[in-house]
Amino acid sequence: AQKVTQAQTEISVVEKEDVTLDCVYETRDTTYYLFWYKQPPSGELVFLIRRNSFDEQNEISGRYSWNFQKSTSSFNFTITASQVVDSAVYFCALSEFGGYQKVTFGTGTKLQVIP
Amino acid sequence: EAGVTQFPSHSVIEKGQTVTLRCDPISGHDNLYWYRRVMGKEIKFLLHFVKESKQDESGMPNNRFLAERTGGTYSTLKVQPAELEDSGVYFCASSIQTGGSNEQFFGPGTRLTVL
Repeated sequence: AQKVTQAQTEISVVEKEDVTLDCVYETRDTTYYLFWYKQPPSGELVFLIRRNSFDEQNEISGRYSWNFQKSTSSFNFTITASQVVDSAVYFCALSEFGGYQKVTFGTGTKLQVIP
Repeated sequence: EAGVTQFPSHSVIEKGQTVTLRCDPISGHDNLYWYRRVMGKEIKFLLHFVKESKQDESGMPNNRFLAERTGGTYSTLKVQPAELEDSGVYFCASSIQTGGSNEQFFGPGTRLTVL
C-alpha cells in the first residue's frame, strides 16, 4: 500500500523567509510518480510538479525547489523568499507508474505567510 | 482547451437530503477520477472510471454514494441520503490514458456542506 506523510500540519513564516515543507512516502513499487499540489484559499488544486522515481535530479523553478532523496523516501519542497501569495495548503502525493494511477495524497501542510 | 469543470462549486444541504455533483472531464480523456477531502484530512481516492466502466471503486465510503458516467463523458456523484460526515471538498480529475506519463488534471472541486 502507498502512504504519504506530511508531518507538518501548519507552518507560519514571515514574508521573505525561506520555508521547507517535508514529505515522506512509502511504496512497494520500484517506479512511481511524486507530486506537489497547491490548494489556495479559493479551493482548487494547482499542480506544481511531477517527478519520476528514476529521476533524482533536484529541480528549481523560480522561488520553488524540490529535493528528492530516494534513499530516505523524501520529496521536500522549499519556497525561497516566501510571499503572502504563497499562503495555501500544500499536498504531497504519490502514484504508481503505469497502470491506473490513482493518486495517494498526504494530509497537507497549511502554510501561512505573514506580511 | 477547457479544463476539468465541476458543478456546483458549493452546495449546502441538510442531513438526509440528496445532492448530485457533476464533473465534466477534459474532452477526449477516458479516465475520470473522484477524490474527496474531509476537513483537515488527506485527499482520498473514491473511484476511477475508464470510459463508462468503473475500474476501481475501492474508495467509495458506503452505499449512500453512487457514481455514474453514462456514455463515458461527464460523471455524476450522488449522495443519498447525505450525512454530516460527508461534508468536504469533492475533486474530480481526468487523464487521457493509462500508463506512462499519464498526468491527472484536477477540477476546482465542489465544496459540500451538510448541516
